[in-house]
Amino acid sequence: DAKTTQPPSMDCAEGRAANLPCNHSTISGNEYVYWYRQIHSQGPQYIIHGLKNNETNEMASLIITEDRKSSTLILPHATLRDTAVYYCIVRATKLDTGNQFYFGTGTSLTVIP
Amino acid sequence: NAGVTQTPKFQVLKTGQSMTLQCAQDMNHEYMSWYRQDPGMGLRLIHYSVGAGITDQGEVPNGYNVSRSTTEDFPLRLLSAAPSQTSVYFCASSHLGRRDRGRSNEKLFFGSGTQLSVL
Repeated sequence: DAKTTQPPSMDCAEGRAANLPCNHSTISGNEYVYWYRQIHSQGPQYIIHGLKNNETNEMASLIITEDRKSSTLILPHATLRDTAVYYCIVRATKLDTGNQFYFGTGTSLTVIP
Repeated sequence: NAGVTQTPKFQVLKTGQSMTLQCAQDMNHEYMSWYRQDPGMGLRLIHYSVGAGITDQGEVPNGYNVSRSTTEDFPLRLLSAAPSQTSVYFCASSHLGRRDRGRSNEKLFFGSGTQLSVL
């Protein structure tokens, strides 16, 4: 699975959009981009994933560049509850061998009042 | 619907003691896995299973054993605890990869974690 690079930390003002970048320059054509977040001491929580099209759900939007070498997770109106570590993971779907998600150290997002 | 349940939430062991961390899921997920998380680090995969009777090693399997006798349960065993195994342990489960209208539907669901200290 391709390796990802994320900034170690970011700040965002409450109510503003939080844009979290992720570089995955070695991504393969069949690899998806996944985002999870981990609020302090809790288990990680799935946010969103995509292959090549932009995706949006009730939590966030995922923008993937046309060459798929980078992506951005957008939290449109950040709240204090969005303060967490955000993990960007790139992996292929493996129908029979399971879901080995490899987490890096992620981006620690702090939402400031 | 309880999701992924881990027990205990906290545990203190002495070096050399053995114990089992329990993990159960009620979502009929084929895939289950164990991660450990050390301070300032991301999660590292210990062991995983793609179904009853099938287990495999992840990144950091040494010192840990697993078994999968049922779909619901995936216990993690420490046979002889060491201080280096002091960590927070997370269990996670999901369906095996499949495509729904062309998109992968893999989503990991995590338990709330077990904080283990080995003295």
